[in-house]
Amino acid sequence: QKEVEQDPGPLSVPEGAIVSLNCTYSNSAFQYFMWYRQYSRKGPELLMYTYSSGNKEDGRFTAQVDKSSKYISLFIRDSQPSDSATYLCAMTERGGTSYGKLTFGQGTILTVHP
Amino acid sequence: NAGVTQTPKFQVLKTGQSMTLQCAQDMNHEYMSWYRQDPGMGLRLIHYSVGAGITDQGEVPNGYNVSRSTTEDFPLRLLSAAPSQTSVYFCASTTLGPGNTIYFGEGSWLTVV
Repeated sequence: QKEVEQDPGPLSVPEGAIVSLNCTYSNSAFQYFMWYRQYSRKGPELLMYTYSSGNKEDGRFTAQVDKSSKYISLFIRDSQPSDSATYLCAMTERGGTSYGKLTFGQGTILTVHP
Repeated sequence: NAGVTQTPKFQVLKTGQSMTLQCAQDMNHEYMSWYRQDPGMGLRLIHYSVGAGITDQGEVPNGYNVSRSTTEDFPLRLLSAAPSQTSVYFCASTTLGPGNTIYFGEGSWLTVV
């Protein structure tokens, strides 16, 4: 079983919809949680970063972490066609080189149609 | 500021051939790493380096070799390419620490026939 499981989708939503992306993980040593966005034929770029249970908001994006359930989510409000991309959850353990060793979910392909 | 630069963007190899994927960063990051991305698998860590002269293995190191002679460069070598190494390869760099952004290159698409 993979350490990080991500709903594979794909998701197709109309413009303006609220999108929910989710990951579960099994390694309780994971302490830092990230969401990356990857456009077609491009490298992943960091979208959100959080390390504590609860919600973190940045514009239309909200990252949610529940360490007790080992579950993280990314919500996108008022989704736009420009949000169409692959979304990857990633996480790391604490300390030293662990900060650089990302464990990724499989990625969810999101399409927002006008 | 170029960030993380990878070359080549696309490459086709025959089984058994060798090649090197180049990676350079201009952010003076001590930590650099290589990932491969396969359908349904996400990105997986191949090798990483915490500074010049220091490298270590990640999750899927077999068939790959790395070296780090300078802070800026971290090439990935395929010694004898196999079809199982057909993948998209990403180089990344960061300054180690909680909350520090890990920057990725644009990727190198490799096909082994």
